[in-house]
Amino acid sequence: SQKIEQNSEALNIQEGKTATLTCNYTNYSPAYLQWYRQDPGRGPVFLLLIRENEKEKRKERLKVTFDTTLKQSLFHITASQPADSATYLCALEGNTDKLIFGTGTRLQVFP
Amino acid sequence: GAVVSQHPSRVICKSGTSVKIECRSLDFQATTMFWYRQFPKKSLMLMATSNEGSKATYEQGVEKDKFLINHASLTLSTLTVTSAHPEDSSFYICSAIDRGWKDEQYFGPGTRLTVT
Repeated sequence: SQKIEQNSEALNIQEGKTATLTCNYTNYSPAYLQWYRQDPGRGPVFLLLIRENEKEKRKERLKVTFDTTLKQSLFHITASQPADSATYLCALEGNTDKLIFGTGTRLQVFP
Repeated sequence: GAVVSQHPSRVICKSGTSVKIECRSLDFQATTMFWYRQFPKKSLMLMATSNEGSKATYEQGVEKDKFLINHASLTLSTLTVTSAHPEDSSFYICSAIDRGWKDEQYFGPGTRLTVT
Protein backbone atom coordinates (compact mmCIF):
# COMPACT_ATOMS: atom_id res chain seq x y z
CA SER A 1 0.00 0.00 0.00
CA GLN A 2 1.06 3.62 -0.46
CA LYS A 3 2.44 5.42 2.57
CA ILE A 4 4.09 8.68 3.50
CA GLU A 5 5.66 8.71 6.93
CA GLN A 6 7.44 11.43 8.82
CA ASN A 7 9.91 10.03 11.28
CA SER A 8 8.57 11.43 14.48
CA GLU A 9 5.46 13.09 15.68
CA ALA A 10 7.46 15.60 17.71
CA LEU A 11 11.02 16.85 17.79
CA ASN A 12 12.50 19.07 20.51
CA ILE A 13 15.82 20.84 19.95
CA GLN A 14 17.80 23.66 21.45
CA GLU A 15 18.04 27.04 19.78
CA GLY A 16 21.01 27.29 17.43
CA LYS A 17 21.12 23.59 16.62
CA THR A 18 20.18 22.04 13.29
CA ALA A 19 16.78 20.36 13.11
CA THR A 20 16.52 17.41 10.76
CA LEU A 21 13.14 16.03 9.78
CA THR A 22 12.63 12.89 7.72
CA CYS A 23 9.97 11.96 5.20
CA ASN A 24 9.82 8.41 3.83
CA TYR A 25 7.43 7.12 1.23
CA THR A 26 6.54 3.76 -0.28
CA ASN A 27 4.84 2.78 -3.50
CA TYR A 28 4.98 6.25 -4.99
CA SER A 29 7.10 7.63 -7.82
CA PRO A 30 6.62 11.36 -7.35
CA ALA A 31 7.86 13.89 -9.84
CA TYR A 32 8.43 16.27 -6.96
CA LEU A 33 8.18 16.58 -3.21
CA GLN A 34 7.27 19.64 -1.16
CA TRP A 35 7.68 20.80 2.41
CA TYR A 36 5.19 23.00 4.20
CA ARG A 37 5.01 24.73 7.56
CA GLN A 38 1.75 24.79 9.49
CA ASP A 39 1.07 26.83 12.60
CA PRO A 40 -1.83 25.91 14.93
CA GLY A 41 -5.21 26.84 13.48
CA ARG A 42 -3.70 28.00 10.19
CA GLY A 43 -3.34 26.62 6.69
CA PRO A 44 0.00 25.23 5.49
CA VAL A 45 2.58 27.61 4.07
CA PHE A 46 4.78 26.46 1.21
CA LEU A 47 8.49 26.30 1.95
CA LEU A 48 10.38 24.34 -0.69
CA LEU A 49 9.80 22.11 -3.69
CA ILE A 50 12.38 19.62 -4.91
CA ARG A 51 12.10 17.68 -8.14
CA GLU A 52 13.03 14.06 -8.74
CA ASN A 53 16.13 15.05 -10.71
CA GLU A 54 17.38 17.35 -7.95
CA LYS A 55 19.47 16.07 -5.06
CA GLU A 56 19.38 19.14 -2.89
CA LYS A 57 17.73 22.52 -2.66
CA ARG A 58 18.41 25.41 -0.31
CA LYS A 59 16.54 28.49 0.78
CA GLU A 60 18.11 30.68 3.44
CA ARG A 61 18.42 28.46 6.56
CA LEU A 62 16.45 25.62 4.98
CA LYS A 63 17.86 22.68 3.07
CA VAL A 64 15.98 19.79 1.50
CA THR A 65 17.40 16.60 0.02
CA PHE A 66 15.58 14.06 -2.12
CA ASP A 67 16.82 10.50 -2.58
CA THR A 68 14.55 8.64 -5.00
CA THR A 69 16.49 5.41 -4.44
CA LEU A 70 15.93 5.46 -0.69
CA LYS A 71 12.50 7.05 -1.24
CA GLN A 72 13.34 9.63 1.35
CA SER A 73 13.54 13.38 1.80
CA LEU A 74 15.38 15.15 4.59
CA PHE A 75 14.47 18.67 5.70
CA HIS A 76 17.05 20.67 7.64
CA ILE A 77 16.71 23.94 9.50
CA THR A 78 20.10 25.32 10.47
CA ALA A 79 20.67 27.75 13.34
CA SER A 80 17.15 27.01 14.55
CA GLN A 81 15.18 29.68 16.39
CA PRO A 82 12.13 29.51 18.68
CA ALA A 83 10.16 31.12 15.83
CA ASP A 84 10.79 27.98 13.78
CA SER A 85 8.54 26.04 16.17
CA ALA A 86 5.64 24.68 14.11
CA THR A 87 4.43 21.51 12.43
CA TYR A 88 6.26 20.63 9.24
CA LEU A 89 4.54 18.59 6.58
CA CYS A 90 6.02 16.83 3.61
CA ALA A 91 3.83 16.31 0.60
CA LEU A 92 4.39 14.53 -2.64
CA GLU A 93 2.70 14.67 -5.95
CA GLY A 94 0.44 11.67 -6.39
CA ASN A 95 -1.07 12.14 -9.79
CA THR A 96 -3.10 14.79 -11.61
CA ASP A 97 -1.56 17.52 -9.43
CA LYS A 98 -2.93 16.02 -6.22
CA LEU A 99 -0.73 16.40 -3.18
CA ILE A 100 -0.54 13.60 -0.64
CA PHE A 101 0.55 14.80 2.78
CA GLY A 102 2.60 13.10 5.43
CA THR A 103 1.54 12.96 9.04
CA GLY A 104 3.67 15.94 10.06
CA THR A 105 6.39 16.52 12.63
CA ARG A 106 5.82 19.04 15.39
CA LEU A 107 9.09 20.90 15.96
CA GLN A 108 9.71 22.73 19.21
CA VAL A 109 12.83 24.90 19.48
CA PHE A 110 13.76 25.84 23.03
CA PRO A 111 15.73 28.98 23.88
CA GLY B 1 3.31 35.71 -3.09
CA ALA B 2 -0.08 34.44 -4.14
CA VAL B 3 -2.86 34.82 -1.61
CA VAL B 4 -5.82 32.54 -1.00
CA SER B 5 -8.58 33.59 1.36
CA GLN B 6 -11.31 31.59 3.04
CA HIS B 7 -14.55 32.79 4.51
CA PRO B 8 -15.68 32.33 7.18
CA SER B 9 -12.68 31.55 9.37
CA ARG B 10 -14.92 30.01 12.01
CA VAL B 11 -18.52 28.87 11.92
CA ILE B 12 -20.79 27.18 14.42
CA CYS B 13 -24.00 25.67 13.14
CA LYS B 14 -26.76 23.43 14.39
CA SER B 15 -27.06 19.84 13.36
CA GLY B 16 -29.15 19.46 10.21
CA THR B 17 -28.31 22.85 8.72
CA SER B 18 -26.05 23.55 5.74
CA VAL B 19 -22.90 25.63 5.76
CA LYS B 20 -21.11 27.23 2.82
CA ILE B 21 -17.37 27.92 2.86
CA GLU B 22 -15.80 30.17 0.25
CA CYS B 23 -12.27 29.93 -1.13
CA ARG B 24 -10.91 32.79 -3.20
CA SER B 25 -7.64 33.35 -5.02
CA LEU B 26 -6.98 37.05 -4.59
CA ASP B 27 -4.25 37.85 -7.06
CA PHE B 28 -4.19 35.01 -9.54
CA GLN B 29 -6.53 32.82 -11.53
CA ALA B 30 -6.86 29.35 -10.11
CA THR B 31 -7.61 26.76 -12.72
CA THR B 32 -7.70 24.11 -10.03
CA MET B 33 -8.64 24.27 -6.37
CA PHE B 34 -8.49 21.54 -3.78
CA TRP B 35 -10.47 21.00 -0.61
CA TYR B 36 -8.90 19.30 2.39
CA ARG B 37 -10.11 18.27 5.79
CA GLN B 38 -7.90 18.10 8.85
CA PHE B 39 -8.65 16.54 12.22
CA PRO B 40 -6.75 17.64 15.36
CA LYS B 41 -3.08 16.62 15.25
CA LYS B 42 -3.65 14.78 11.98
CA SER B 43 -2.51 15.46 8.48
CA LEU B 44 -4.51 16.99 5.66
CA MET B 45 -6.85 14.63 3.86
CA LEU B 46 -7.78 15.54 0.32
CA MET B 47 -11.54 15.59 -0.15
CA ALA B 48 -11.95 16.73 -3.73
CA THR B 49 -10.40 18.47 -6.70
CA SER B 50 -12.32 21.36 -8.17
CA ASN B 51 -11.73 22.53 -11.74
CA GLU B 52 -13.27 25.73 -13.03
CA GLY B 53 -16.33 25.09 -15.12
CA SER B 54 -16.51 21.36 -14.52
CA LYS B 55 -17.70 18.94 -11.88
CA ALA B 56 -15.49 18.28 -8.90
CA THR B 57 -13.62 15.00 -8.57
CA TYR B 58 -14.12 13.45 -5.16
CA GLU B 59 -11.72 11.18 -3.32
CA GLN B 60 -12.79 7.72 -2.34
CA GLY B 61 -15.04 7.74 0.69
CA VAL B 62 -16.11 11.37 0.35
CA GLU B 63 -19.84 11.78 -0.23
CA LYS B 64 -20.42 14.16 -3.11
CA ASP B 65 -24.01 14.82 -2.07
CA LYS B 66 -22.85 15.70 1.41
CA PHE B 67 -20.00 17.99 0.39
CA LEU B 68 -21.14 20.07 -2.57
CA ILE B 69 -18.38 21.83 -4.47
CA ASN B 70 -18.86 24.60 -6.99
CA HIS B 71 -16.04 26.28 -8.92
CA ALA B 72 -17.97 28.92 -10.77
CA SER B 73 -15.09 31.20 -11.67
CA LEU B 74 -11.31 31.22 -11.87
CA THR B 75 -11.09 32.91 -8.48
CA LEU B 76 -13.83 31.27 -6.42
CA SER B 77 -14.67 27.78 -5.24
CA THR B 78 -17.29 26.98 -2.61
CA LEU B 79 -17.75 23.96 -0.37
CA THR B 80 -21.21 23.42 1.09
CA VAL B 81 -21.59 20.94 3.92
CA THR B 82 -25.19 19.83 3.67
CA SER B 83 -27.26 18.57 6.57
CA ALA B 84 -24.29 18.92 8.87
CA HIS B 85 -23.75 16.53 11.77
CA PRO B 86 -21.37 16.78 14.73
CA GLU B 87 -18.97 14.34 13.02
CA ASP B 88 -18.55 16.91 10.23
CA SER B 89 -16.88 19.23 12.73
CA SER B 90 -13.36 19.74 11.45
CA PHE B 91 -10.87 22.18 9.99
CA TYR B 92 -11.49 22.66 6.26
CA ILE B 93 -8.69 24.05 4.12
CA CYS B 94 -8.67 24.95 0.45
CA SER B 95 -5.72 25.38 -1.85
CA ALA B 96 -5.29 26.70 -5.35
CA ILE B 97 -2.80 26.36 -8.15
CA ASP B 98 -2.15 28.50 -11.17
CA ARG B 99 -0.98 26.21 -13.92
CA GLY B 100 0.64 29.09 -15.68
CA TRP B 101 3.25 29.46 -12.98
CA LYS B 102 4.50 26.65 -10.80
CA ASP B 103 3.53 23.37 -9.25
CA GLU B 104 3.18 25.13 -5.91
CA GLN B 105 -0.17 25.03 -4.13
CA TYR B 106 -1.26 28.12 -2.23
CA PHE B 107 -3.31 27.34 0.84
CA GLY B 108 -6.06 29.31 2.47
CA PRO B 109 -6.04 30.00 6.22
CA GLY B 110 -8.68 27.36 6.88
CA THR B 111 -12.23 27.32 8.26
CA ARG B 112 -13.04 25.80 11.63
CA LEU B 113 -16.50 24.21 11.48
CA THR B 114 -18.26 23.19 14.67
CA VAL B 115 -21.60 21.44 14.43
CA THR B 116 -23.61 21.38 17.66
